[in-house]
Amino acid sequence: SFELTQPPSVSVSLGQTARITCSGNYLGEKYACWYQQRPGQSPVLVIYQDSRRPSGVPERFSGSNSGKTATLTISGTQVMDEADYYCQAWDSSSGWVFGTGTTVTVV
Amino acid sequence: QMQLQQWGAGLLKPSETLSLTCAVYGGSFSGYYWSWIRQPPGKGLEWIGQISHSGNTKYKSSLKSRVTISVDTSKRQVSLKMTSVTAADTAVYYCASNPPPYDSGGFEKWGQGALVTVSS
Repeated sequence: SFELTQPPSVSVSLGQTARITCSGNYLGEKYACWYQQRPGQSPVLVIYQDSRRPSGVPERFSGSNSGKTATLTISGTQVMDEADYYCQAWDSSSGWVFGTGTTVTVV
Repeated sequence: QMQLQQWGAGLLKPSETLSLTCAVYGGSFSGYYWSWIRQPPGKGLEWIGQISHSGNTKYKSSLKSRVTISVDTSKRQVSLKMTSVTAADTAVYYCASNPPPYDSGGFEKWGQGALVTVSS
């Protein structure tokens, strides 16, 4: 079955760039989405179709996808960006698959 | 502005049936796919299944035998039923909207989540 793997945690200094990876077989041939989930809240879509931002999502969030890896980049990371982040992709056999999740900590 | 509101029983005994409903307020209903997702306490997100406004469904293979997702377009509601629950089904359950293109647009809006606890 199709699986997506993320690092459990990423630490980033305030104002610096955080990069979160998501790996899966042939992921570059699919579209990746990314969600932000703050504690006690529902997830929020921050990237769809690999690199598109929904209305209202800050420009510091960007995405890319190639080969086996999709990447979510947060530029100029702020304290409010501390959250769990999940990647997601559609597989014709498995349906929607979520990544294992990454906790971003701003130090 | 689309909003999703969920409700259903929060405490179940093992072997009982989980039943949740998600109502869609505002925005379009037809033309969207609707998914259910769950998140066990302290763990990650797991997709359960989806339904189109016309009733076409797809389920996660490991849950398929116990799950039914249905839609009532007249009420703009989507429902989830899961039979024979166990403690492993304890989780926060979310409904979410999936706009076209369905395989790349992701889940645009989410419900507020409903905690379902299975305990004897």
